[in-house]
Parts: sequence; structure tokens; C-alpha cells
Amino acid sequence: AQSVSQHNHHVILSEAASLELGCNYSYGGTVNLFWYVQYPGQHLQLLLKYFSGDPLVKGIKGFEAEFIKSKFSFNLRKPSVQWSDTAEYFCALTAGGSYIPTFGRGTSLIVHP
Amino acid sequence: GAGVSQSPSNKVTEKGKDVELRCDPISGHTALYWYRQSLGQGLEFLIYFQGNSAPDKSGLPSDRFSAERTGGSVSTLTIQRTQQEDSAVYLCASSFMGDNEQFFGPGTRLTVL
Repeated sequence: AQSVSQHNHHVILSEAASLELGCNYSYGGTVNLFWYVQYPGQHLQLLLKYFSGDPLVKGIKGFEAEFIKSKFSFNLRKPSVQWSDTAEYFCALTAGGSYIPTFGRGTSLIVHP
Repeated sequence: GAGVSQSPSNKVTEKGKDVELRCDPISGHTALYWYRQSLGQGLEFLIYFQGNSAPDKSGLPSDRFSAERTGGSVSTLTIQRTQQEDSAVYLCASSFMGDNEQFFGPGTRLTVL
């Protein structure tokens, strides 16, 4: 069975710092990859997704992620974070034609103004 | 409808009581998912519906948990004889096709005393 690992459980940054959140997965075949975000008091929502094509994916609010197949990774990046980026971030995948996503445990990001 | 809605938003119940949680997906979405989110944990998959049928019930933690979906729309998650370990936020999500972006509801926070 596939799994998703998010190694950073808590990240604290100051505004304007650069962000990279790690996401690694275990599955030998084709995967679809997602990053979801949950802002305080709000629903989970999609940040970006990768199905195929260009491995560098642009999402909302200046976020991007790069799929590196050889490293089984899909790290989330943002060059300059804002206080409003404070949220919980979840990496997820679907694999092998399954419609059931597997989620990582999430990374809590706190950005100090 | 504007988005996925869930009711109630909060439910406090006594151990041993039954509870029903409701999910109204986005109109036209064929796939519907239930998850459980406990403090500090990721999203635990419970059950997936495609239309009214549930091809995957593998995530239901015990036979006290059941779910149904009628008319390809509203879904109800029922927990019988609730236990304290059932306390969590129960999330519902829907998608147009099972492999695409999931749209999440606000969740139902269940507290079992």
C-alpha cells in the first residue's frame, strides 16, 4: 500500500522567509499528487495538483511544487511567505487508478509578522 | 449549491448513544468521501461512494460505523454506541470524478463524553 510522509510537523517562519515543505511518498507506479491547505477556521482546499506533464506545478497564492520521480518527492515551495500563509498543509496522493487518496499527517506552518 | 455542507457543525453526545452526521455534496459530484481527523493526525479515510454505491468501505474502523448515500446526493454517516475514541472531526468531501480535486465541507466536530 502507498504512504505519504511529511517530515516537518511544525514550521515557524518570519514573513518574507522562503518556504519548503517536504513530501515523500512510497509507491512504484503512476501517482497523482496534491497539496491541500487548511487555514484557521476554514475548509480544506486544494493548493495545487500534479497529474502529468511539467513536473513543476504552480498553484494559488504563489505556491509551487516540484515532482521529482527519482526521489519520490513532491515538495511545496514559496519564495516569500506572508502572515496569511499560516495554516495546516497536507500532501496527498492517489495511485494505481485508485480513487482513494492517501494523506500525510500534515505540517503546521506559523508565520510571524 | 455553493459548496459541500455538513451538519451538525458540532455534536456532543454521551458514550453509548448513536449519532448521525450528514453531508450535502456539491450538485453533480458523483464521488463522495468521509474522513476522520483527530488532533495531530492526518486524514483517516473512512468510506467512498461512487453514486449510491460504496465500492470501498475498508476504512470504517468498526461495525459500529455505517454510511449510506441516497439519490446520488446526500450521505449520512452513522456511529452506533459511540465511544470516547470516536471523538474527532468528521470531514466529507466530494469530487466530480473520483480522481480529481476533492472539495471539502467544514466538518462535524464530534465529542463523546
